[in-house]
Amino acid sequence: DSGVTQTPKHLITATGQRVTLRCSPRSGDLSVYWYQQSLDQGLQFLIQYYNGEERAKGNILERFSAQQFPDLHSELNLSSLELGDSALYFCASSPTQVSSYNSPLHFGNGTRLTVT
Amino acid sequence: SQELEQSPQSLIVQEGKNLTINCTSSKTLYGLYWYKQKYGEGLIFLMMLQKGGEEKSHEKITAKLDEKKQQSSLHITASQPSHAGIYLCGADEGGTSYGKLTFGQGTILTVHP
Repeated sequence: DSGVTQTPKHLITATGQRVTLRCSPRSGDLSVYWYQQSLDQGLQFLIQYYNGEERAKGNILERFSAQQFPDLHSELNLSSLELGDSALYFCASSPTQVSSYNSPLHFGNGTRLTVT
Repeated sequence: SQELEQSPQSLIVQEGKNLTINCTSSKTLYGLYWYKQKYGEGLIFLMMLQKGGEEKSHEKITAKLDEKKQQSSLHITASQPSHAGIYLCGADEGGTSYGKLTFGQGTILTVHP
């Protein structure tokens, strides 16, 4: 158990809908990272937050947004969903802004999103 | 941006055999991470390499980073069914990348008992 909790585990929704994925980082971790994993694109970095502030942005669509709350949990909001958004969405956390041997990224078990 | 290429894409071995997975970067690596993923589950951190020529071992898994810090290999000795899964290498670009990791496409390892 990595200590990173993601809910829900599975989500099935229709095109055009909006969903929210939730992540609770490991106790004491201030950084949260969101990744999307699909068969054709692999594991893609979406966005990082550190202590409530956005730190880095990757290939995140404008239809997607995220935030980190004062209690450090994070939410990833996906709107106007398309079939191509079906993927496994991972949250990872680390204690600091940067990863290192002493503080690698720890991943949750992911949320599997299916858009029909 | 950083690109990582893993080879092979998939590997099927008989239990007890040794195997090697390679990860090649288009840029000099600031840090190279190896993770293992079981199907449909999260990534489990294995090892991190940062210095050129560095080598680390954990149980029967050894990871190396070449002197130029552009290539890493993961070697499993006497493979077991428990080693099966997807192995991913991830690169930290350092600097303003703020710790985000760029991952290779992964290597799917199957170990037959």
